Amino acid sequence: DVKVTQSSRYLVKRTGEKVFLECVQDMDHENMFWYRQDPGLGLRLIYFSYDVKMKEKGDIPEGYSVSREKKERFSLILESASTNQTSMYLCASSLWSGMDYGYTFGSGTRLTVV
Amino acid sequence: GENVEQHPSTLSVQEGDSAVIKCTYSDSASNYFPWYKQELGKRPQLIIDIRSNVGEKKDQRIAVTLNKTAKHFSLHITETQPEDSAVYFCAASGRGKLIFGQGTELSVKP
Repeated sequence: DVKVTQSSRYLVKRTGEKVFLECVQDMDHENMFWYRQDPGLGLRLIYFSYDVKMKEKGDIPEGYSVSREKKERFSLILESASTNQTSMYLCASSLWSGMDYGYTFGSGTRLTVV
Repeated sequence: GENVEQHPSTLSVQEGDSAVIKCTYSDSASNYFPWYKQELGKRPQLIIDIRSNVGEKKDQRIAVTLNKTAKHFSLHITETQPEDSAVYFCAASGRGKLIFGQGTELSVKP
């Protein structure tokens, strides 16, 4: 069973802080994704990665960056946290073998910026 | 850009009734359409998916239909039960990533 583990379930940070959200998957998946989930807006893609050291912007990358130094780990970085980044953050991974597959999601990190 | 529209945003049914959730997508290159169920406080879980070479797929009480010409797909849940209450998301593949709909909150009343 694929496991996607997010390091924190709940985080409270101050405005202006640099915030790191960590995600690790244990099934050798090539693809990894970061989404944020807000009521009424569904899941919006922040960044994604198809391989180590590779990253692509999603629909809402402003204010965020990512790092993928190892295949199993994909980190989301809030360079200077702001209150409008208060949200649920979901990491996901998927297999790639020439066709799309469904994601496996982590449990999510609920971030509050005060 | 790529877009997925999902309707309705909320749906309330009596136990035993059927529920239908509809999605439309914009990218004609999309070829993979999964559905996720998210219970309160939990992660989204894949419940069924369909590829563009198939028009319909069933798994017990759940079925998904796809109309490629009209670019829409639907989730059908029959004989609903209280444990079906959750938020459901549709998604369409787009250049290696999934584009999600806004979600439907399904409430099944006993």
